[in-house]
Amino acid sequence: EDQVTQSPEALRLQEGESSSLNCSYTVSGLRGLFWYRQDPGKGPEFLFTLYSAGEEKEKERLKATLTKKESFLHITAPKPEDSATYLCAVQASWTDSWGKFQFGAGTQVVVTP
Amino acid sequence: DTEVTQTPKHLVMGMTNKKSLKCEQHMGHRAMYWYKQKAKKPPELMFVYSYEKLSINESVPSRFSPECPNSSLLNLHLHALQPEDSALYLCASSSGLAGAYEQYFGPGTRLTVT
Repeated sequence: EDQVTQSPEALRLQEGESSSLNCSYTVSGLRGLFWYRQDPGKGPEFLFTLYSAGEEKEKERLKATLTKKESFLHITAPKPEDSATYLCAVQASWTDSWGKFQFGAGTQVVVTP
Repeated sequence: DTEVTQTPKHLVMGMTNKKSLKCEQHMGHRAMYWYKQKAKKPPELMFVYSYEKLSINESVPSRFSPECPNSSLLNLHLHALQPEDSALYLCASSSGLAGAYEQYFGPGTRLTVT
């Protein structure tokens, strides 16, 4: 059965203290892996799409990487405005999975000044 | 512009009421989605429309009725809801279904059923 597991569940960082979030997946045929950030009471905001192992993408203080079994979201020198829940989602290759994202439970990140 | 809009932002309804949620996108996307999200949980897929036709129904109770009047609009009609239906309802859109297309989410409608 396809599974997406995010760790840790929660992360508390000091401003400037870099860290990484993990998203491990067991999907028979990965079509794409997606990262989102979500602020309380708001819709998820798209960050990155990764398609194949070895791929990396960057945006400001965020960098996402992908291996055959997991993805990492690295937060470099975080600021308080990076506080949010970060969601990972995967889409499998099978036809009947088209349009269906399988989400992880999310990592809640709090960055304190 | 990667904006999906949703109205209303908040909705309080009784168990006997009928109400509708609305979603709109102008990105030319051909797939649109409804999700339900409970507190501290990830979004849960409800319905998917592709080219204005219902493509996926994740066994959602009939008290939720989706409608896609055209390629830019998506509605969710609500009738005889239960208190456990209180949640954040999210609309999303993507370029299509067949590829690994990112979904763009709206801000959501916070629904409270009393």
